[in-house]
Amino acid sequence: DAGITQSPRYKITETGRQVTLMCHQTWSHSYMFWYRQDLGHGLRLIYYSAAADITDKGEVPDGYVVSRSKTENFPLTLESATRSQTSVYFCASSGLSSSTGLGANVLTFGAGSRLTVL
Amino acid sequence: LAKTTQPISMDSYEGQEVNITCSHNNIATNDYITWYQQFPSQGPRFIIQGYKTKVTNEVASLFIPADRKSSTLSLPRVSLSDTAVYYCLVGPLYSGGGADGLTFGKGTHLIIQP
Repeated sequence: DAGITQSPRYKITETGRQVTLMCHQTWSHSYMFWYRQDLGHGLRLIYYSAAADITDKGEVPDGYVVSRSKTENFPLTLESATRSQTSVYFCASSGLSSSTGLGANVLTFGAGSRLTVL
Repeated sequence: LAKTTQPISMDSYEGQEVNITCSHNNIATNDYITWYQQFPSQGPRFIIQGYKTKVTNEVASLFIPADRKSSTLSLPRVSLSDTAVYYCLVGPLYSGGGADGLTFGKGTHLIIQP
């Protein structure tokens, strides 16, 4: 299916465990992003990537690791999950695309991954 | 990085026109203004984008004065389904990367009543 998909949609884990959230887009967009959303904080940028093998930190990168070996995938890993990382995580992509009809600086978001760390 | 200021919340009634204003006093010459809408349990969705004057699409209008220090998202004849959080972002096109224009803030929670 075309679009941007996140998996898993829901995840419960325990403190100290490693968790990877997956993000896959089919538009060959250059840019991909990870945000977290918590009540009272709005959306905060964790990491972003301008292209395969190019990543950069956002506002709240501590405790997270990203990689981008392929243009279409941008996994987010919590190497040792903490309760403060309980949140809803959104992946997004942007880039010139005849499929979406949107410009290069307009983000298209996935449905989100709700992570609970016990 | 141009910071934006929006009202935390607004409410209106079905059939009314709603205007949400965003202040961005430090907007740069190459910055665009982009608005997103977010429903509960969903990711934000692009509504409209503009650089100056007025932009209109099938969903909304965006008014930008000549000094570009603010912008107003106008939603005509709102319905209950327009209840959502609306975000204003200001930043450049991605010509060289960087996180400019990627800060969402807390947005404006619009509540439409019957």
